[in-house]
Amino acid sequence: NAGVTQTPKFQVLKTGQSMTLQCAQDMNHEYMSWYRQDPGMGLRLIHYSVGAGITDQGEVPNGYNVSRSTTEDFPLRLLSAAPSQTSVYFCASSIRDYHTGELFFGEGSRLTVL
Amino acid sequence: DQQVKQNSPSLSVQEGRISILNCDYTNSMFDYFLWYKKYPAEGPTFLISISSIKDKNEDGRFTVFLNKSAKHLSLHIVPSQPGDSAVYFCAASETGGFKTIFGAGTRLFVKA
Repeated sequence: NAGVTQTPKFQVLKTGQSMTLQCAQDMNHEYMSWYRQDPGMGLRLIHYSVGAGITDQGEVPNGYNVSRSTTEDFPLRLLSAAPSQTSVYFCASSIRDYHTGELFFGEGSRLTVL
Repeated sequence: DQQVKQNSPSLSVQEGRISILNCDYTNSMFDYFLWYKKYPAEGPTFLISISSIKDKNEDGRFTVFLNKSAKHLSLHIVPSQPGDSAVYFCAASETGGFKTIFGAGTRLFVKA
């Protein structure tokens, strides 16, 4: 049982480059989300999805795009990377009753933007 | 504007003693609270939760207390063990919402 899988684990980008962080879950969870973790800031919600075809913004959505074409996958796109996007990114999923359901996190993707 | 606040960046405790981690929140619409534990180079994992209709929830060595009037919750770990050394995040959500909001985390060091 793989759970939530994130790729790549590490990535270095130059300012202005684009890339996609991949997230896949095999638990048939309806709810998926992306967080970023920064020192002193904790985990901040970027975007989330409550099912295929449905996405919405979190606390810090600027500079990021998402789509949800399948239940399993929820990629996060950086269209034009900036140094402020240097962070550790976590994908998480939960059952449909996400309100009281625990979030299952991937191992994280460490992104450095030069 | 942080809706969930963990004001202690770190806490050091002797093995066998009690660890108390604190969390405050400002959004009165939050009605479900969770604690997550995170080791380096790993994703956070769920530890324990509590609904706003309760004031205490216990699971083995871990107990969470909720004081709604003070908008305050705490996580007690008794007895503390070296393996408990990690970052602990407090999180909150509200009925009908789709966002779980996290605090900044508290790094716990349990000394042997």
